[in-house]
Amino acid sequence: EVRLVQSGAEVKKPGESLKISCKGSGYSFTSYWIAWVRQMPGKGLEWMGVIYLGDSDTRYSPSFQGQVTISADKSISTAYLQWSSLKASDTAMYYCARFRGTYLGDFDYWGQGTLVTVSS
Amino acid sequence: DIVMTQTPLSSPVSLGQPASISCRSSQSLVHSDGNTYLSWLQQRPGQPPRLLIYKISNRFSGVPDRFSGSGAGTDFTLKITRVEAEDVGVYYCMQATQYPHSFGQGTKLEIK
Repeated sequence: EVRLVQSGAEVKKPGESLKISCKGSGYSFTSYWIAWVRQMPGKGLEWMGVIYLGDSDTRYSPSFQGQVTISADKSISTAYLQWSSLKASDTAMYYCARFRGTYLGDFDYWGQGTLVTVSS
Repeated sequence: DIVMTQTPLSSPVSLGQPASISCRSSQSLVHSDGNTYLSWLQQRPGQPPRLLIYKISNRFSGVPDRFSGSGAGTDFTLKITRVEAEDVGVYYCMQATQYPHSFGQGTKLEIK
Protein backbone atom coordinates (compact mmCIF):
# COMPACT_ATOMS: atom_id res chain seq x y z
CA GLU A 1 0.00 0.00 0.00
CA VAL A 2 1.39 3.40 -0.99
CA ARG A 3 1.56 5.79 1.96
CA LEU A 4 2.91 9.27 2.50
CA VAL A 5 3.14 10.15 6.19
CA GLN A 6 3.90 13.74 7.13
CA SER A 7 5.36 15.10 10.33
CA GLY A 8 3.12 16.63 12.96
CA ALA A 9 1.68 20.11 13.41
CA GLU A 10 4.08 22.92 14.26
CA VAL A 11 3.66 26.21 16.10
CA LYS A 12 6.50 28.66 15.51
CA LYS A 13 7.35 32.31 15.98
CA PRO A 14 8.19 34.70 13.14
CA GLY A 15 11.87 34.48 12.22
CA GLU A 16 12.27 30.89 13.37
CA SER A 17 13.38 28.07 11.07
CA LEU A 18 11.42 24.91 10.34
CA LYS A 19 11.79 21.65 8.44
CA ILE A 20 8.79 19.39 7.86
CA SER A 21 8.94 15.90 6.42
CA CYS A 22 7.09 13.44 4.21
CA LYS A 23 7.99 9.76 4.43
CA GLY A 24 7.02 7.43 1.62
CA SER A 25 6.41 3.71 1.88
CA GLY A 26 4.91 0.89 -0.17
CA TYR A 27 6.59 1.85 -3.44
CA SER A 28 9.97 2.48 -5.04
CA PHE A 29 10.67 5.95 -3.59
CA THR A 30 13.45 6.87 -6.01
CA SER A 31 11.28 6.23 -9.09
CA TYR A 32 8.90 9.11 -8.41
CA TRP A 33 8.73 12.80 -7.64
CA ILE A 34 7.38 14.34 -4.45
CA ALA A 35 5.50 17.62 -4.73
CA TRP A 36 4.69 20.13 -2.02
CA VAL A 37 1.39 22.02 -2.03
CA ARG A 38 0.29 24.89 0.20
CA GLN A 39 -3.26 25.52 1.35
CA MET A 40 -3.76 28.72 3.31
CA PRO A 41 -6.75 28.83 5.70
CA GLY A 42 -9.99 28.69 3.73
CA LYS A 43 -8.17 28.94 0.41
CA GLY A 44 -7.27 26.77 -2.58
CA LEU A 45 -4.27 24.66 -3.48
CA GLU A 46 -0.96 26.24 -4.50
CA TRP A 47 1.85 24.28 -6.16
CA MET A 48 5.17 25.02 -4.47
CA GLY A 49 7.63 22.69 -6.15
CA VAL A 50 8.74 19.13 -6.79
CA ILE A 51 11.79 16.96 -6.26
CA TYR A 52 12.72 13.80 -8.15
CA LEU A 53 14.01 11.31 -5.64
CA GLY A 54 16.21 9.51 -8.16
CA ASP A 55 18.64 12.37 -8.69
CA SER A 56 17.22 15.22 -6.51
CA ASP A 57 16.29 17.30 -9.56
CA THR A 58 14.16 20.08 -8.04
CA ARG A 59 11.76 22.59 -9.60
CA TYR A 60 10.19 25.52 -7.79
CA SER A 61 7.25 27.78 -8.41
CA PRO A 62 8.53 31.34 -8.94
CA SER A 63 6.20 32.32 -6.08
CA PHE A 64 8.14 30.12 -3.67
CA GLN A 65 11.66 30.16 -5.15
CA GLY A 66 14.03 31.54 -2.52
CA GLN A 67 11.36 31.34 0.19
CA VAL A 68 11.59 27.60 0.87
CA THR A 69 13.96 24.71 0.21
CA ILE A 70 12.85 21.29 -0.95
CA SER A 71 15.20 18.40 -0.27
CA ALA A 72 15.19 14.66 0.27
CA ASP A 73 17.07 11.81 1.90
CA LYS A 74 16.44 8.78 -0.28
CA SER A 75 18.16 6.47 2.22
CA ILE A 76 15.13 6.93 4.49
CA SER A 77 12.53 7.60 1.73
CA THR A 78 11.82 11.07 3.10
CA ALA A 79 11.29 14.44 1.44
CA TYR A 80 11.52 17.76 3.26
CA LEU A 81 10.24 21.29 3.05
CA GLN A 82 12.12 23.89 5.02
CA TRP A 83 12.09 27.56 5.87
CA SER A 84 15.02 29.56 7.24
CA SER A 85 12.93 32.45 8.56
CA LEU A 86 9.20 31.98 8.93
CA LYS A 87 6.63 34.74 8.48
CA ALA A 88 3.07 34.92 9.77
CA SER A 89 1.95 34.56 6.15
CA ASP A 90 3.48 31.05 6.06
CA THR A 91 0.63 29.87 8.28
CA ALA A 92 -1.03 27.14 6.24
CA MET A 93 -1.58 23.45 5.75
CA TYR A 94 1.20 21.88 3.71
CA TYR A 95 0.65 18.69 1.77
CA CYS A 96 3.12 16.41 0.05
CA ALA A 97 1.96 14.34 -2.90
CA ARG A 98 3.51 11.71 -5.15
CA PHE A 99 3.89 13.03 -8.69
CA ARG A 100 3.88 10.29 -11.29
CA GLY A 101 5.88 12.35 -13.78
CA THR A 102 5.95 11.89 -17.51
CA TYR A 103 3.28 9.74 -19.24
CA LEU A 104 0.88 9.93 -16.29
CA GLY A 105 1.41 13.43 -14.95
CA ASP A 106 -0.74 13.42 -11.84
CA PHE A 107 -0.53 13.52 -8.05
CA ASP A 108 -1.89 10.10 -7.16
CA TYR A 109 -1.23 9.81 -3.42
CA TRP A 110 -1.24 12.55 -0.82
CA GLY A 111 0.04 12.91 2.70
CA GLN A 112 -2.33 13.80 5.52
CA GLY A 113 -0.98 17.36 5.70
CA THR A 114 1.16 19.30 8.19
CA LEU A 115 -0.40 22.37 9.77
CA VAL A 116 2.14 25.14 10.29
CA THR A 117 1.11 28.06 12.51
CA VAL A 118 3.40 31.08 12.72
CA SER A 119 2.44 33.54 15.42
CA SER A 120 4.18 35.82 17.86
CA ASP B 1 2.85 30.38 -16.35
CA ILE B 2 -0.39 28.54 -17.15
CA VAL B 3 -3.48 29.91 -15.40
CA MET B 4 -6.34 27.49 -14.71
CA THR B 5 -9.84 28.98 -14.46
CA GLN B 6 -12.77 26.98 -13.12
CA THR B 7 -16.48 27.68 -13.43
CA PRO B 8 -18.67 27.80 -11.49
CA LEU B 9 -16.94 28.52 -8.18
CA SER B 10 -19.95 27.17 -6.33
CA SER B 11 -22.43 24.53 -7.43
CA PRO B 12 -25.53 23.68 -5.38
CA VAL B 13 -26.94 20.40 -6.65
CA SER B 14 -29.82 18.19 -5.50
CA LEU B 15 -29.05 14.60 -4.56
CA GLY B 16 -29.34 12.29 -7.56
CA GLN B 17 -28.96 15.15 -10.03
CA PRO B 18 -26.01 15.66 -12.37
CA ALA B 19 -23.23 18.18 -11.83
CA SER B 20 -20.69 19.64 -14.21
CA ILE B 21 -17.55 21.69 -13.61
CA SER B 22 -15.55 23.44 -16.32
CA CYS B 23 -11.86 24.19 -16.37
CA ARG B 24 -10.09 26.36 -18.90
CA SER B 25 -6.33 26.77 -19.24
CA SER B 26 -4.62 29.94 -20.49
CA GLN B 27 -2.68 27.88 -23.04
CA SER B 28 -2.86 24.44 -24.56
CA LEU B 29 -2.12 21.58 -22.17
CA VAL B 30 -0.87 19.26 -24.91
CA HIS B 31 2.65 18.23 -23.94
CA SER B 32 5.43 17.74 -26.49
CA ASP B 33 5.08 13.98 -25.84
CA GLY B 34 1.48 14.14 -27.11
CA ASN B 35 -0.16 13.65 -23.72
CA THR B 36 -2.41 16.18 -21.99
CA TYR B 37 -1.66 16.30 -18.28
CA LEU B 38 -4.96 17.57 -16.93
CA SER B 39 -6.26 15.95 -13.78
CA TRP B 40 -9.15 16.46 -11.36
CA LEU B 41 -8.94 16.27 -7.59
CA GLN B 42 -11.60 16.14 -4.88
CA GLN B 43 -11.09 17.58 -1.42
CA ARG B 44 -13.72 16.62 1.12
CA PRO B 45 -14.04 18.83 4.22
CA GLY B 46 -11.10 18.34 6.56
CA GLN B 47 -9.37 15.87 4.23
CA PRO B 48 -6.35 16.02 1.93
CA PRO B 49 -7.06 16.14 -1.81
CA ARG B 50 -7.74 12.88 -3.62
CA LEU B 51 -7.07 12.10 -7.28
CA LEU B 52 -10.21 11.40 -9.30
CA ILE B 53 -9.25 11.72 -12.96
CA TYR B 54 -5.87 11.87 -14.74
CA LYS B 55 -4.92 12.67 -18.35
CA ILE B 56 -8.32 14.26 -19.01
CA SER B 57 -10.53 11.19 -18.78
CA ASN B 58 -8.88 8.30 -16.92
CA ARG B 59 -10.51 7.39 -13.62
CA PHE B 60 -8.05 6.66 -10.83
CA SER B 61 -8.26 3.40 -8.93
CA GLY B 62 -11.36 3.14 -6.74
CA VAL B 63 -13.12 6.20 -8.21
CA PRO B 64 -16.83 5.54 -8.88
CA ASP B 65 -17.89 5.50 -12.51
CA ARG B 66 -20.36 8.33 -11.92
CA PHE B 67 -17.30 10.59 -12.29
CA SER B 68 -16.08 11.29 -15.82
CA GLY B 69 -13.72 13.75 -17.48
CA SER B 70 -13.59 15.09 -21.00
CA GLY B 71 -12.08 17.87 -23.09
CA ALA B 72 -9.05 18.76 -25.13
CA GLY B 73 -6.55 21.55 -25.64
CA THR B 74 -7.64 24.29 -23.26
CA ASP B 75 -11.20 23.29 -22.27
CA PHE B 76 -12.04 20.48 -19.89
CA THR B 77 -15.06 19.24 -17.97
CA LEU B 78 -15.68 17.05 -14.93
CA LYS B 79 -19.13 15.48 -14.77
CA ILE B 80 -20.90 13.63 -12.00
CA THR B 81 -23.90 11.72 -13.34
CA ARG B 82 -25.82 11.47 -10.07
CA VAL B 83 -24.55 13.43 -7.07
CA GLU B 84 -24.38 11.58 -3.77
CA ALA B 85 -23.96 13.05 -0.28
CA GLU B 86 -20.33 11.88 -0.12
CA ASP B 87 -19.49 14.03 -3.17
CA VAL B 88 -19.70 17.25 -1.13
CA GLY B 89 -16.39 19.09 -1.18
CA VAL B 90 -14.16 21.21 -3.37
CA TYR B 91 -13.05 20.07 -6.81
CA TYR B 92 -9.83 21.24 -8.43
CA CYS B 93 -8.45 20.86 -11.91
CA MET B 94 -4.68 20.72 -12.18
CA GLN B 95 -2.19 20.90 -15.03
CA ALA B 96 1.18 19.15 -15.01
CA THR B 97 2.07 19.80 -18.65
CA GLN B 98 4.36 22.69 -17.91
CA TYR B 99 6.30 23.93 -14.88
CA PRO B 100 5.21 25.48 -12.65
CA HIS B 101 2.27 23.11 -12.31
CA SER B 102 -0.94 24.90 -11.37
CA PHE B 103 -4.39 24.37 -9.91
CA GLY B 104 -7.73 25.95 -10.64
CA GLN B 105 -9.32 28.06 -7.89
CA GLY B 106 -11.60 25.21 -6.85
CA THR B 107 -15.35 24.61 -7.22
CA LYS B 108 -17.38 24.00 -4.09
CA LEU B 109 -20.02 21.32 -4.60
CA GLU B 110 -22.83 21.46 -2.06
CA ILE B 111 -26.17 19.78 -1.70
CA LYS B 112 -29.20 21.98 -2.37
